Amino acid sequence: SAVISQKPSRDICQRGTSLTIQCQVDSQVTMMFWYRQQPGQSLTLIATANQGSEATYESGFVIDKFPISRPNLTFSTLTVSNMSPEDSSIYLCSVVRGQSSAYEQYFGPGTRLTVT
Amino acid sequence: KQEVTQIPAALSVPEGENLVLNCSFTDSAIYNLQWFRQDPGKGLTSLLLIQSSQREQTSGRLNASLDKSSGRSTLYIAASQPGDSATYLCAVTGSARQLTFGSGTQLTVLP
Repeated sequence: SAVISQKPSRDICQRGTSLTIQCQVDSQVTMMFWYRQQPGQSLTLIATANQGSEATYESGFVIDKFPISRPNLTFSTLTVSNMSPEDSSIYLCSVVRGQSSAYEQYFGPGTRLTVT
Repeated sequence: KQEVTQIPAALSVPEGENLVLNCSFTDSAIYNLQWFRQDPGKGLTSLLLIQSSQREQTSGRLNASLDKSSGRSTLYIAASQPGDSATYLCAVTGSARQLTFGSGTQLTVLP
């Protein structure tokens, strides 16, 4: 398994401001992902955080709104920029461990964001 | 585009019952399938991983099956307990190792 921590665990922010969420993994991993879970919904992939290159964003998510950093193989940040109430969600990072079809994805505890 | 559907959306059962949660997916070209548990306001806990070449996996009172050709998986929970109350999420892994999630089944086990 993997030990993943996220900071902050929760925050309440004013609209128009930005929040940076940190994700720390207990050992080096190649692939890290950021997901969003809106209230009452399932998880949606925001982007794949690549070490040494720009993140790969899914349809509907853009770098200006959700800039991602991946400075090394154990750490990543997701910034939610110019927030609006629609950004209120749980944001989760995840990592993949294992090889081929036996790899398994593990999730951090999530960051609960409320935008007022 | 992969789509994952879970039925039922919610389920309430008395303690001790055996139950089945269903998951279906539209694209059978998956690497594996995972079942997760999510408690209210919490992150996800991985329950079972079924590789694309496997038919089922078991862990304690949980048994998950996979029929890749028909795009279906089931999660069987034996002798349910109130502590099993949570949302259960099914997710399939695509070629880029990203997960596509179903909308979940909210399970309530009544004492």
